[in-house]
Amino acid sequence: GAVVSQHPSWVICKSGTSVKIECRSLDFQATTMFWYRQFPKQSLMLMATSNEGSKATYEQGVEKDKFLINHASLTLSTLTVTSAHPEDSSFYICSAPTGWYGYTFGSGTRLTVV
Amino acid sequence: GQQLNQSPQSMFIQEGEDVSMNCTSSSIFNTWLWYKQDPGEGPVLLIALYKAGELTSNGRLTAQFGITRKDSFLNISASIPSDVGIYFCAGRKSEGSATNKLIFGTGTLLAVQP
Repeated sequence: GAVVSQHPSWVICKSGTSVKIECRSLDFQATTMFWYRQFPKQSLMLMATSNEGSKATYEQGVEKDKFLINHASLTLSTLTVTSAHPEDSSFYICSAPTGWYGYTFGSGTRLTVV
Repeated sequence: GQQLNQSPQSMFIQEGEDVSMNCTSSSIFNTWLWYKQDPGEGPVLLIALYKAGELTSNGRLTAQFGITRKDSFLNISASIPSDVGIYFCAGRKSEGSATNKLIFGTGTLLAVQP
């Protein structure tokens, strides 16, 4: 079945640095990738939708300049957390539509900013 | 961001008991999905519902798409310890397109005591 490979699975970075998270569709082409953020004991909140070859669409309240999304090819979408701060520490998950009704999720990235 | 109301928030049950959880919305959805998430991992699809009134089973799991299209429930029969995790409902508004975003419920934490 369809697989979305997400890396890294966890990362610890210093405050003020940037972190890049990658999501690759391994056996299908993903023209769209959804990026979610999940705080402990909370639900998945959609941050943005990336589309191959065009600008990402951000949800209300999500800073475009802080969370840079690039969808450079049909198999790769990246999320870069710029100038990370401790409040950005969270679990980030990507998801790609697969087939007509399905969605495949990555395994998530645990970001800890110290 | 928008979230669906999911209840109960948490459940602590004995192995063998049946479990029921539901999800409600103030707006109509055309697709309801139920996911299970283990700690540190992405959600895994359990059941997908595409039509109002639809009742679908997957092993010990049964889910129904409410007639009003504003709610859905998930039942787990004869629970076992590996059912432990967080269960999320998710709704999608648009019909016929796999690229529309999912709105997630607030989650139900299930704990099963052997």
